[in-house]
Amino acid sequence: AQTVTQSQPEMSVQEAETVTLSCTYDTSESNYYLFWYKQPPSRQMILVIRQEAYKQQNATENRFSVNFQKAAKSFSLKISDSQLGDTAMYFCAFMSPYTGTASKLTFGTGTRLQVTL
Amino acid sequence: DAGVIQSPRHEVTEMGQEVTLRCKPISGHNSLFWYRQTMMRGLELLIYFNNNVPIDDSGMPEDRFSAKMPNASFSTLKIQPSEPRDSAVYFCASRQQQLGNTIYFGEGSWLTVV
Repeated sequence: AQTVTQSQPEMSVQEAETVTLSCTYDTSESNYYLFWYKQPPSRQMILVIRQEAYKQQNATENRFSVNFQKAAKSFSLKISDSQLGDTAMYFCAFMSPYTGTASKLTFGTGTRLQVTL
Repeated sequence: DAGVIQSPRHEVTEMGQEVTLRCKPISGHNSLFWYRQTMMRGLELLIYFNNNVPIDDSGMPEDRFSAKMPNASFSTLKIQPSEPRDSAVYFCASRQQQLGNTIYFGEGSWLTVV
């Protein structure tokens, strides 16, 4: 079974600074998907960014980018120019692309990010 | 386009009562998921449907929980009888498997059982 580990329960960053959230995972598969979801105080789960394992290029979405290291099974999220609205819980998630019982999101325990003035 | 729609957004009920949570997935999506989030256990997958058929219900905690998907545009999660330990946020999510496998979540149903 796949596991996802987020080793930073809480982090803090000042507005306009850059912060990196860590995520590692364990799988024996060669193809899969990785995601970062954001959960603000409203509790809504919002997709931030996704990465297909077969793509070597790191995904980027505006101020959000990932550092995907497949051999190391590492998938970190970098937030540039942090904004107060980035304050949220961030979840890393893994998904197998195959159908059946494997085709579901497995989440890490989350990192609570606080952006301060 | 409308996202995943869940109802009710909030529900407070007494122990022993039946609770029904509803979900309308994104139109055209062929997979539907029910997740539960608690402080103690984080995000847990309860059940997963593909083309309206339950594929994996291993996360359903016990017989008090049941889920149905009578058609491609509607699903329910029922708890009967409810217990205080069922208090959680319940998320419905959907995906179009042929279009990149991204799972989109609804806003969640906050359930409090007193």
